[in-house]
Parts: sequence; structure tokens; C-alpha cells
Amino acid sequence: DVKVTQSSRYLVKRTGEKVFLECVQDMDHENMFWYRQDPGLGLRLIYFSYDVKMKEKGDIPEGYSVSREKKERFSLILESASTNQTSMYLCASIHRGTGELFFGEGSRLTVL
Amino acid sequence: ILNVEQSPQSLHVQEGDSTNFTCSFPSSNFYALHWYRWETAKSPEALFVMTLNGDEKKKGRISATLNTKEGYSYLYIKGSQPEDSATYLCAFMGYNNNDMRFGAGTRLTVKP
Repeated sequence: DVKVTQSSRYLVKRTGEKVFLECVQDMDHENMFWYRQDPGLGLRLIYFSYDVKMKEKGDIPEGYSVSREKKERFSLILESASTNQTSMYLCASIHRGTGELFFGEGSRLTVL
Repeated sequence: ILNVEQSPQSLHVQEGDSTNFTCSFPSSNFYALHWYRWETAKSPEALFVMTLNGDEKKKGRISATLNTKEGYSYLYIKGSQPEDSATYLCAFMGYNNNDMRFGAGTRLTVKP
């Protein structure tokens, strides 16, 4: 069974803390994505990666960075968390043949 | 930024009712239109990936149609069941597979 695993389902952090959200996929997919989901706004793309060490900004990259050192792992980093980064974060990878996205279960981050 | 819009934002129906919702998207640079179902506390799961104008796809009681010339897709659920309660997301994919834009979703609640 194909799987995208996010390291933490729920996190509570303080303003200014550095936050790491980890995502691992076992499908050997090249392309991986980080989205955030906020009520009424749908999924918004933060960053994506199309290969190891390659990354591209999405629509809302400000305040975030990413790391892709291995094909299966794509990490989202909040260098200095702020309250407006309280959100649900979803990681996904894409099946090149079908174009179908496979999602993790999400990480709900609260920044106090 | 491309706009993908879904309506209605939320929908409450009785068990056994049939229902449908709409996704509208830009008709230029179209590659594929995706539908995902997102149940609470789970990962979004792909329902359909549609690429051809006039495409109709069906999975059990759920079906979808696609009109790429006018930029809309309909999702239909026949005889809704409580287990159909979820948020239904559509996503527009442009020719660059990394260009995937989501709508805000339609939240369906089916009452027994």
C-alpha cells in the first residue's frame, strides 16, 4: 500500500521557535509538495521539489524553507514560527503516470 | 494566479438524496482536472483524474463530468450515505505537472 507519512499530527510551538515538519514517501516519486490548508482558502502551495536538492517556490513561500536531501524525504522548515503560520500542513507526492497526488495525513501546527 | 472555484461551500443533505457540486477553472493551459475526497482525520484521496473534454468517470455512486472548453466539472453523488460526508476538493493541473491549483472545497454532510 502506497504511503506518505508525516512525522507529527499535532504540534504546538511558541512564536520564534524553529519548526521542522518531516514527510516521507515510499513510492519512489520524484515530485513532492508542501501545502497549507486554511478554512475557506483551499490548499495553497508553499514549496515543491522535483528532484533531490531541487526546490521551487509555490504561491506562499514567505517564512518557509524546504530541504530535500534524499528522494523519499521532503522537509518543511519554519525558521521563526509566527502565529499566522498556525495551520494544517499537508505533504504530497505525485505519481508521474497518472498525475494523481498522494497525501499524508496532515500536521496541525498551532503557534502561540 | 489561476482561480479554481467550487460551489457550494457547504451542503447538508438527507441520506438517500442525490447531490452535485461544481468546480470551475481556467480553460487555458489545461492538462487535467482532479477530484479528491477528504474525510476528517484522514488524508485526501483521489477520486478521479480527468483529462479529456467530455470525459465522464464513475466510481460506485459517485460520478464526474468535464467540460474543458467552458472550464467546469460536476461531481455527482447518487443516493448519498452518511459515509459520503467529507470535503470534496477539485484541482486544476496545467501542463507543468507542478502547477496544481486547488479550490476551497465543498463540505458535504449527509444526515441519517
